[in-house]
Amino acid sequence: SQQGEEDPQALSIQEGENATMNCSYKTSINNLQWYRQNSGRGLVHLILIRSNEREKHSGRLRVTLDTSKKSSSLLITASRAADTASYFCASSYSGAGSYQLTFGKGTKLSVIP
Amino acid sequence: DSGVTQTPKHLITATGQRVTLRCSPRSGDLSVYWYQQSLDQGLQFLIQYYNGEERAKGNILERFSAQQFPDLHSELNLSSLELGDSALYFCASSVAAGAYYNEQFFGPGTRLTVL
Repeated sequence: SQQGEEDPQALSIQEGENATMNCSYKTSINNLQWYRQNSGRGLVHLILIRSNEREKHSGRLRVTLDTSKKSSSLLITASRAADTASYFCASSYSGAGSYQLTFGKGTKLSVIP
Repeated sequence: DSGVTQTPKHLITATGQRVTLRCSPRSGDLSVYWYQQSLDQGLQFLIQYYNGEERAKGNILERFSAQQFPDLHSELNLSSLELGDSALYFCASSVAAGAYYNEQFFGPGTRLTVL
């Protein structure tokens, strides 16, 4: 079953506004990764946050991780039309010896110019 | 460009047929993962290879198999295809089999359509 669940499923904002997406997961993790996917295309790696980190920044992206609540959030500041895409969180959990990613269903972000 | 390549980009075939999808990982990456993305199941992990050996299996059907060759490229074989196998198939690669901060980089995917 999908371990990560994103919230909201869809988000529509005006260009220049901030977009916040949330993700929950169910088991212990080693790290959590966020990806962007433009319609039907490949997954672009955005950022990785380790289980011992609480916050990480990359350009206009800010990711937080709360392991006590098993949740993460992705904030995109000053959004642009080019940010329109689906965003997925993917958790890499310990214990399986493989570190495969378990994906949520994604948040579809629409940025209106 | 992630550095991971996949061929072909598109594949259209009939039910009952067999196809092979190919993936070349980023230079230096030893680990290859295969994922399937479908409308109803979302993104699901299928199988992982590390330096030529199978490391983990996920929701992979018995009709599907994979291998990783000495040059580290990987192939995913899908046989006795059914309509429900239509999906986007992604390959991802990472440096190691598992690490605390092991980022996975995805290829552009192969879109399989089974008619």
